[in-house]
Amino acid sequence: SYVLTQPPSVSVAPGMPARITCGGNNIGSKSVHWYQQKPGQAPVLVMYYDRDRPSGIPERFSGSNSGNTATLTISRVEAGDEADYYCQVWDSSSDQWVFGGGTKLTVL
Amino acid sequence: QVQLVQSGAEVKKPGSSVKVSCKASGYTFSSYYMHWVRQAPGQGLEWMGIIDPSGTSTNYAQKFKGRVTVTRDTSTSTLYMELSSLRSEDTAVYYCARGTASPIDWFDPWGQGTLVTVSS
Repeated sequence: SYVLTQPPSVSVAPGMPARITCGGNNIGSKSVHWYQQKPGQAPVLVMYYDRDRPSGIPERFSGSNSGNTATLTISRVEAGDEADYYCQVWDSSSDQWVFGGGTKLTVL
Repeated sequence: QVQLVQSGAEVKKPGSSVKVSCKASGYTFSSYYMHWVRQAPGQGLEWMGIIDPSGTSTNYAQKFKGRVTVTRDTSTSTLYMELSSLRSEDTAVYYCARGTASPIDWFDPWGQGTLVTVSS
């Protein structure tokens, strides 16, 4: 089955950029979606189709996907961005949805 | 606005079954795929299954095949997930989530989650 690999944690100072990666075999050929989950809350979609932002998501959030790595970038991190972030793809070979293990973003 | 409201927390004995509901509002329920995702305490997200807009076709994660049944009632705009032969490892928060008109797109929005505790 298809595996998505995320770093367990990323720490960034306020105002600095944060990059959260999602690795997978030839992930660049797939559409990647990203979710933000704050403690005790349901996940919220923050990026779809690699780089499209849903309405209401700040322009500070951007996405890219190429080769074996997809990346969610938050250009100027704020305290309110502290959360767990999950990448997701649909694996056509197994017809199954796959989530990455999640990355905890800590704002220093 | 689009909203998914799930049923309340459940406590179940090992070996029993649980049925969680998810009532949709604010959109045409019969036009969208729907999913179930669970999250064990302190763990990540795990996709469980999908049902098509008409309710006639489902697909389940390999791990849950034979134990999970997803259904939907268009007349009440309600989605259901039943998990049988419960064990302690099934203790988790269960989320419903709306897909799109395509089965391979993103999930948005999500329900508030339903905590299912399996304990003797």
